Amino acid sequence: NAGVTQTPKFQVLKTGQSMTLQCAQDMNHEYMSWYRQDPGMGLRLIHYSVGAGITDQGEVPNGYNVSRSTTEDFPLRLLSAAPSQTSVYFCASSYGDRGDTGELFFGEGSRLTVL
Amino acid sequence: SQQGEEDPQALSIQEGENATMNCSYKTSINNLQWYRQNSGRGLVHLILIRSNEREKHSGRLRVTLDTSKKSSSLLITASRAADTASYFCATDASGYNKLIFGAGTRLAVHP
Repeated sequence: NAGVTQTPKFQVLKTGQSMTLQCAQDMNHEYMSWYRQDPGMGLRLIHYSVGAGITDQGEVPNGYNVSRSTTEDFPLRLLSAAPSQTSVYFCASSYGDRGDTGELFFGEGSRLTVL
Repeated sequence: SQQGEEDPQALSIQEGENATMNCSYKTSINNLQWYRQNSGRGLVHLILIRSNEREKHSGRLRVTLDTSKKSSSLLITASRAADTASYFCATDASGYNKLIFGAGTRLAVHP
């Protein structure tokens, strides 16, 4: 099993450009989520999903969009990139059991720089 | 706002010593989880402790949870240089995949 796969690993954007970070998992997990990690800030939840067709906002959703059309995929879209979105982005998946969140499996991260 | 706060922010010890990291949180939780992150890599799950549990062990790891004080601790016994990493606590307060992380503790274990 590949686990959680994120692409691209590195990306440089100019202010105002849009792009999509891809995330795929092959563990048949219902739960998927996107975090960003900035120095000294730990991980902050951007958007999350508890199943196909169901998404919700996390702590820092502004400037990002998500959709969940399949169980396997959970892409993160940056609508109009800003320098404040320079960060490392992590996708994670987990099983869910009646609302109890299990252990998260993380991808290796996507490092985004916005100039 | 972050739910969990780790203490200390950084910890430097010698191989063979024990390392203790603490996590405090603000609201009631379903479970609390600890993760490890090596430099430049994704996070790896270490241990999950539920709100009705007080202590859990996994190899050289021991996690305690005190829900009355809203705090948890992670103890790594007989540390090794390979334990050098950042350690994060994460709380599942509202359920349904909304896991909130703290800022982490950077552990350096010197040979």
